[in-house]
Amino acid sequence: NAGVTQTPKFRVLKTGQSMTLLCAQDMNHEYMYWYRQDPGMGLRLIHYSVGEGTTAKGEVPDGYNVSRLKKQNFLLGLESAAPSQTSVYFCASSYAGGAYEQYFGPGTRLTVT
Amino acid sequence: SQQGEEDPQALSIQEGENATMNCSYKTSINNLQWYRQNSGRGLVHLILIRSNEREKHSGRLRVTLDTSKKSSSLLITASRAADTASYFCATDAGDSWGKLQFGAGTQVVVTP
Repeated sequence: NAGVTQTPKFRVLKTGQSMTLLCAQDMNHEYMYWYRQDPGMGLRLIHYSVGEGTTAKGEVPDGYNVSRLKKQNFLLGLESAAPSQTSVYFCASSYAGGAYEQYFGPGTRLTVT
Repeated sequence: SQQGEEDPQALSIQEGENATMNCSYKTSINNLQWYRQNSGRGLVHLILIRSNEREKHSGRLRVTLDTSKKSSSLLITASRAADTASYFCATDAGDSWGKLQFGAGTQVVVTP
């Protein structure tokens, strides 16, 4: 099992460009999450999904959109990138919410110039 | 806003020593989890402790939870160089969606 994979691993964007980050999991998990990690801070939740076709806002959703068309995939989109979105993005999945551990992908390092 | 705050921010110890880090949080929780992150990698789950538990063990890890003080501690016994990593606590406030709030982490360096 590959677990949670993320594509791409690195990306450099110019201000105003758009891109989509792909997260895929092969554990048949219902719940999926997108976080961002900035220096000196813990992870902050951007959006999450509790099942195929559902999405919800997390703590810092502005400037991002998500889609969960297939159970195994969770896409994070930036429509018009800003330098403040320079960060490392992590995807995670879990069997369910509540007292279940989350499995994390390796991360995508995004730089917006 | 961050729910959990770890202390210390950084810890440097020698192999064989114990490492203790603390996490304080602000609001009531359903459970608290500890994760490890090696440099440049994703987070790996270490242990989960529920709000009605006071102590939990997993191998060389010991976690305590004091809900009256809104704090938790992670003890790594007999540390190894491979334990060098950042350690994060994460709280689940209990709306059943698994939305975790992470602290800023403790960076642990174990020297041989």
